[in-house]
Amino acid sequence: DIQMTQSPSSLSASVGDRVTITCRASQSISSYLNWYQQKPGKAPKLLIYAASSLQSGVPSRFSGSGSGTDFTLTISSLQPEDFATYYCQQSYSTLEVTFGQGTRLEIK
Amino acid sequence: QVQLQESGPGLVKPSETLSLTCAVSGYSISSGYYWGWIRQPPGKGLEWIGSIYHSGSTYYNPSLKSRVTISVDTSKNQFSLKLSSVTAADTAVYYCARHGYYYDSSGTRYNWFDPWGQGTLVTVSS
Repeated sequence: DIQMTQSPSSLSASVGDRVTITCRASQSISSYLNWYQQKPGKAPKLLIYAASSLQSGVPSRFSGSGSGTDFTLTISSLQPEDFATYYCQQSYSTLEVTFGQGTRLEIK
Repeated sequence: QVQLQESGPGLVKPSETLSLTCAVSGYSISSGYYWGWIRQPPGKGLEWIGSIYHSGSTYYNPSLKSRVTISVDTSKNQFSLKLSSVTAADTAVYYCARHGYYYDSSGTRYNWFDPWGQGTLVTVSS
């Protein structure tokens, strides 16, 4: 099965900072990579699909890039509401879905 | 606007079967897409349990396959999860979600989970 590894596991940053989270797949997954944001006590929310496509309604400060095995989620200017946990998820095969372990973004 | 809502017992005894239902509103399951279950143990990450196509074809996480059954009831516009022989390790928040997809101009199919239900905590304890 395909393993997804995120780095870092946690990150402290300030409002206005530019933040990058990385996700690495154990094998090539082309652009079959999604990103989710989860706030405490809430369900995950889809931010980015197909590695770089912004889900409708998601602020443009969020962007995704990468293909093959290495992917990044970038927040261009952190806002207070962005402090949350972020997960990547590979969708290379509908029959096999795996998530990264998550990256917790905290206020510095 | 598509909405999903999980329901079922919040407490299940060890060795018994966990049963949850996800009611879908704002979209007819019969119209298409996959529909999935994902769980999250307290303080931990997300684990995909399995998905079902509107026609009834199922796809399960290999690590749970022997204990999982997902079914769909298009007449009630809902789908269900059964997880047998539960242990404390199955304690988690269980989410249902639309396992949607689209085809780009080259015919490549991309899929994702959106939207999600609010989640329901199931505790396995005697």
